[in-house]
Formats: sequence, C-alpha cells, structure tokens
Amino acid sequence: GAVVSQHPSRVICKSGTSVKIECRSLDFQATTMFWYRQFPKQSLMLMATSNEGSKATYEQGVEKDKFLINHASLTLSTLTVTSAHPEDSSFYICSARGQSETQYFGPGTRLLVL
Amino acid sequence: GDSVTQMEGPVTLSEEAFLTINCTYTATGYPSLFWYVQYPGEGLQLLLKATKADDKGSNKGFEATYRKETTSFHLEKGSVQVSDSAVYFCALSFGNEKLTFGTGTRLTIIP
Repeated sequence: GAVVSQHPSRVICKSGTSVKIECRSLDFQATTMFWYRQFPKQSLMLMATSNEGSKATYEQGVEKDKFLINHASLTLSTLTVTSAHPEDSSFYICSARGQSETQYFGPGTRLLVL
Repeated sequence: GDSVTQMEGPVTLSEEAFLTINCTYTATGYPSLFWYVQYPGEGLQLLLKATKADDKGSNKGFEATYRKETTSFHLEKGSVQVSDSAVYFCALSFGNEKLTFGTGTRLTIIP
C-alpha cells in the first residue's frame, strides 16, 4: 500500500521559534497533499490543501503567514509553524493523494511549544 | 454544507462481542465514503471505503455498506479483539475534493 512518512514524529520547542515538519510520499507521486491539525480527543481539522508547484489553499480561519506550506516536489511537502506559541501545540497530520481519490495519511507529528 | 455524523463514544465492549458504529452523512449528490482507524499515538489508516450506492467495503473483518436510501455507512464487525481498540473516523469526499470527517468514535475492547 501507499506509504506516507512524517518527520519529526515529535518536537519540543521554545515559544517564538519556528518549526518545520516534513511530509513525504515514499512509493507514489502525490499531486495533492493535505495538512490537518488534531486536538486531543477531537476530529481532524483540515488546515490547507497544497498542489505540487502551486500555492496552498488555506481553510477559513487558518493563518497562512503563520502556517507556511511548501509543496516543491511530487513527494515532499513541508509545514512550517512560524513563531510558535503554546496554543500551537497539537498533533499535525499530513495526507497525500496520487492518481486515485484515496488519501493516505502520515503517522503525525506531535508539537509541544513551551 | 457536507457533514458526517458519528455515533457518540466512547464505546466499550468485551472481546468477541459484535460491533456497530453508526455513521450517517449529509451531502448534495453521492460522495465516496470511508472509514479510517487511528491507533494510539499514530496517524490515520484507511480501513475501508465504498464509492457508490450498495457497495460494501471490507477489511480485517470489518464491513460497511453504502446505503443511499438512509444516507448511512455503518461500520460492523462480528467479533472484536483487544487489538481493535482505537478511534474510528467516518468520512466522505467527492472525487478529488477534501475529506470531511466525523468526530470519531473511541472504541475500547476489554479482554
């Protein structure tokens, strides 16, 4: 099956620093990647959709200058949380989609901002 | 807009019990329907899917049938195991558009 990896799996940072999370499709070309945020015991909230080589489309209420998304190749997308604050602490999950409509999810990155 | 309503959790069952997790949807048209499972500390894994009315998705002993008349996609398993303990998400999408998730149902299986 299709495999999506995320790195790092866990990160702790100080308030005010920036954190970059990578999402890779390992065995297929992902024309579209999605970034989600999940709060404890809640569902996934879509943050943005990115297509390779174009700007990401952000969901309403998501600050594009705070959550920078880059999808430079068909196998890699990055999410950078700029000037992170404690309220940004969350579980960030990416998914990738190739030719089929099925999204394949990464294992998630747990971010803790102190 | 499109939405997915799931059975409120948490659900606790004994091993080998029969499982049903209800899922209904509201959408204009006929979306594809999915069940995803999230094990503790991990991301989501696709469990099964159905793309048109009356299709049955199945995997690992789990089944769900796409019922157009009741706009439902209930998840069932005849005999659950401790290893099935996880959070289950019902979701829908239209073609290559985004997934719309339900709130998730936490399932705990007791030995």
